Amino acid sequence: AQSVTQPDIHITVSEGASLELRCNYSYGATPYLFWYVQSPGQGLQLLLKYFSGDTLVQGIKGFEAEFKRSQSSFNLRKPSVHWSDAAEYFCAVVPAYNNNDMRFGAGTRLTVKP
Amino acid sequence: DTEVTQTPKHLVMGMTNKKSLKCEQHMGHRAMYWYKQKAKKPPELMFVYSYEKLSINESVPSRFSPECPNSSLLNLHLHALQPEDSALYLCASSRTGTSVTGELFFGEGSRLTVL
Repeated sequence: AQSVTQPDIHITVSEGASLELRCNYSYGATPYLFWYVQSPGQGLQLLLKYFSGDTLVQGIKGFEAEFKRSQSSFNLRKPSVHWSDAAEYFCAVVPAYNNNDMRFGAGTRLTVKP
Repeated sequence: DTEVTQTPKHLVMGMTNKKSLKCEQHMGHRAMYWYKQKAKKPPELMFVYSYEKLSINESVPSRFSPECPNSSLLNLHLHALQPEDSALYLCASSRTGTSVTGELFFGEGSRLTVL
């Protein structure tokens, strides 16, 4: 079945530590890939996206993500987390055959310890 | 600041009420979307209005009905809702009508509570 999976429901990191949030997808063809961030009670903001080309993509707020076709993964990373990064992070995919059907992973809640 | 404006930010309604959620964008985008998000869950697509054509998620009950008065507005009419419809309703738009060639721009959401 087609799916997008975020294995970690909740992650806690210390401020200044590095961060990696995992995202795996299961689609016949490589979908288009996105990471969004949502602060409590707010809408979603796009961090970065991957369509094709360079497998390491840079986004806003110092985030980056790496597409690995062999692992069907699109993990989000940040070298040094700030307290303001505490939020919910969603990986999203759009199937190549249906451009209006963005599907979201379950989300990973990030807590940042001082 | 978001360029997709949703009103009201909060709405409390009874099960017999009729209300509407409004969404507006002035970015010239050609597609607009309604998503429903329950607490601690990801957003789920309800409707897409793209190039004057409405696409509906078949799992959405008929007590929700979208209306697109013009290319900048997408309303969501609510009638005879159930308590389980309480959620954050997110509106989004995209430039070209596809989720791929342009990002989705989200509003801040309308928090709906059905009593």
